[in-house]
Amino acid sequence: NAGVTQTPKFRVLKTGQSMTLLCAQDMNHEYMYWYRQDPGMGLRLIHYSVGEGTTAKGEVPDGYNVSRLKKQNFLLGLESAAPSQTSVYFCASRHLATRQGDYGYTFGSGTRLTVV
Amino acid sequence: AQKITQTQPGMFVQEKEAVTLDCTYDTSDPSYGLFWYKQPSSGEMIFLIYQGSYDQQNATEGRYSLNFQKARKSANLVISASQLGDSAMYFCAMREMGTGNQFYFGTGTSLTVIP
Repeated sequence: NAGVTQTPKFRVLKTGQSMTLLCAQDMNHEYMYWYRQDPGMGLRLIHYSVGEGTTAKGEVPDGYNVSRLKKQNFLLGLESAAPSQTSVYFCASRHLATRQGDYGYTFGSGTRLTVV
Repeated sequence: AQKITQTQPGMFVQEKEAVTLDCTYDTSDPSYGLFWYKQPSSGEMIFLIYQGSYDQQNATEGRYSLNFQKARKSANLVISASQLGDSAMYFCAMREMGTGNQFYFGTGTSLTVIP
């Protein structure tokens, strides 16, 4: 099925370990995003990309890095995981809007990360 | 300042009744879009409804309607004839067309439909 695929779905890390979350979309979307969701705080933007080879910081970028080497993939890296990074991570993508009437994101199913 | 405010952490509604979930927003951009998403216990984010700031009529999608009051900067979601499957978290979001690149999300409202 077309859409946004996130891997892995669950992961437990020890403090200081590194890992990469993969987001892949097959809808030819230009924009891709990484959010984290924490109880009582909604979704907060970590990093985003407006096209292949470009990335930008969002609201909470510290401790994360991203890369978009291919249009369909957006990788989120944690170089040295901390317990504060325990969260549910969502990837999302959308087309470049050509008029006001766009229809929002397509979300992945989320990755539940626990850092112990 | 919060871009999106959802003041109801939790709501209950009787099955088959209507419920309104509140959302207010803050922007100085005259062109923006407002969105509602549903997140069931399974965790995925499901798009429900969209309202553009220049749309003259309130958006409707099946049992969902968006009560858009531009002067008050509110974009409340109305769910008619509630069903048990409507029990979920609901998030209001906004995208400012001037910046364009990110959505701002509220903290969500947890809706429980009572049989």
